[in-house]
Amino acid sequence: GAVVSQHPSRVICKSGTSVKIECRSLDFQATTMFWYRQFPKQSLMLMATSNEGSKATYEQGVEKDKFLINHASLTLSTLTVTSAHPEDSSFYICSASSAGAEGGGTDTQYFGPGTRLTVL
Amino acid sequence: GENVEQHPSTLSVQEGDSAVIKCTYSDSASNYFPWYKQELGKRPQLIIDIRSNVGEKKDQRIAVTLNKTAKHFSLHITETQPEDSAVYFCAASSYGKLTFGQGTILTVHP
Repeated sequence: GAVVSQHPSRVICKSGTSVKIECRSLDFQATTMFWYRQFPKQSLMLMATSNEGSKATYEQGVEKDKFLINHASLTLSTLTVTSAHPEDSSFYICSASSAGAEGGGTDTQYFGPGTRLTVL
Repeated sequence: GENVEQHPSTLSVQEGDSAVIKCTYSDSASNYFPWYKQELGKRPQLIIDIRSNVGEKKDQRIAVTLNKTAKHFSLHITETQPEDSAVYFCAASSYGKLTFGQGTILTVHP
């Protein structure tokens, strides 16, 4: 139980294009989803927190107009990287939390497999 | 906001030895402290966690200790095996938001 999927697993795009990444909770309802970015050999940095049906809360320094987050249902959140540039190349990981997932507390996060974005 | 410091950045041990990774946090409101293991290109996997009302928790070869007064927590792995080699991250959760440490690259030599 408590499985989170992400799609696509890897994407290569040209500079200036937009890329959408999907994050789904497969067997539980995720009241909150989180988006992280991880550069090579670095830690996970929280980009934003989203709750179903409301606007995402972005961390300081993260451009909300560049990284569009939609959390339209309790099982799906999307991250769209708009007008991607080479410096946006990174490993993007989502996570989901819910009080109902495997009996964990509301702060237990279950991670997706990540999406490797390469912008040429 | 929360700041989590993790040490050491790299740790090399012989198979069978113990490994200890230490973290400190700054926000006294943090009340949940998970540890993750991440292999190259994979998702972080929760290996053990501890909540602020508990001082120690153990799961087979893995244990975590928490000192709320000093704001530090540690991961202990006993009888290490080569498959324990990975990057380990500590994290602290404040109001449901995780802040991660910088990570420790653990290498277990056969």
